[in-house]
Amino acid sequence: EVQLLESGGGLVQPGGSLRLSCAASGFTFSTYGMNWVRQAPGKGLEWVSGIIGNGGSTFYADSVKGHFIISRDNSKNTLYLQMNSLRAEDTAEYYCGKATGPYSSPGKDGMDVWGQGTTVTVSS
Amino acid sequence: DIQMTQSPSSLSASVGDRVTITCRASQGISNYLAWYQQKPGKVPKLLIYTASTLQSGVPSRFSGSGSGTDFTLTISSLQPEDVATYYCQKYNTAPFTFGPGTKVDIK
Repeated sequence: EVQLLESGGGLVQPGGSLRLSCAASGFTFSTYGMNWVRQAPGKGLEWVSGIIGNGGSTFYADSVKGHFIISRDNSKNTLYLQMNSLRAEDTAEYYCGKATGPYSSPGKDGMDVWGQGTTVTVSS
Repeated sequence: DIQMTQSPSSLSASVGDRVTITCRASQGISNYLAWYQQKPGKVPKLLIYTASTLQSGVPSRFSGSGSGTDFTLTISSLQPEDVATYYCQKYNTAPFTFGPGTKVDIK
């Protein structure tokens, strides 16, 4: 069964850092682009970042460019999001999502598999 | 960056009604558009990609159309289990922006 499992969320003070992880199973991880999507409480979906299968290209929303870093370890089938200089507006549920189509952009044909999410709260 | 809008922001319809949701891109995106359904308290689910391709396992009452800047998601006969918020997402180039969502409930 194809699965994604996020971890690493929690309560952090403004200016702090967190690293989210997304453990993948049930598919050839290195073949697919991967994404992070977040949803603030009561709000809509916001695409945050994406990375191609071999990790060679990364993409970011303007809202996180310069303070989030996406990466992946294909030997561990794991996707990461390093979040630095966190602000109250980064408070959200964070989901990882697998691109539907292989060997291409992390956006290829949308995201067909999503994790259950991990909650990040930025507050003093 | 390309902006995505959706209309209406919410709608209420009766069981069995035909429901149409519109998504508009501020610039042409060919057919690089996906639709998702998010039920309350649940994870988003992919319904349609390439504007009109139904994802495996999605009921055939869902359909998508459009190209360029204007797209529609249609539910041919609304069912109680379709109560959800629906989002479009463009994926031609990054950023892979979502629309603001359309909330659908039963009248």
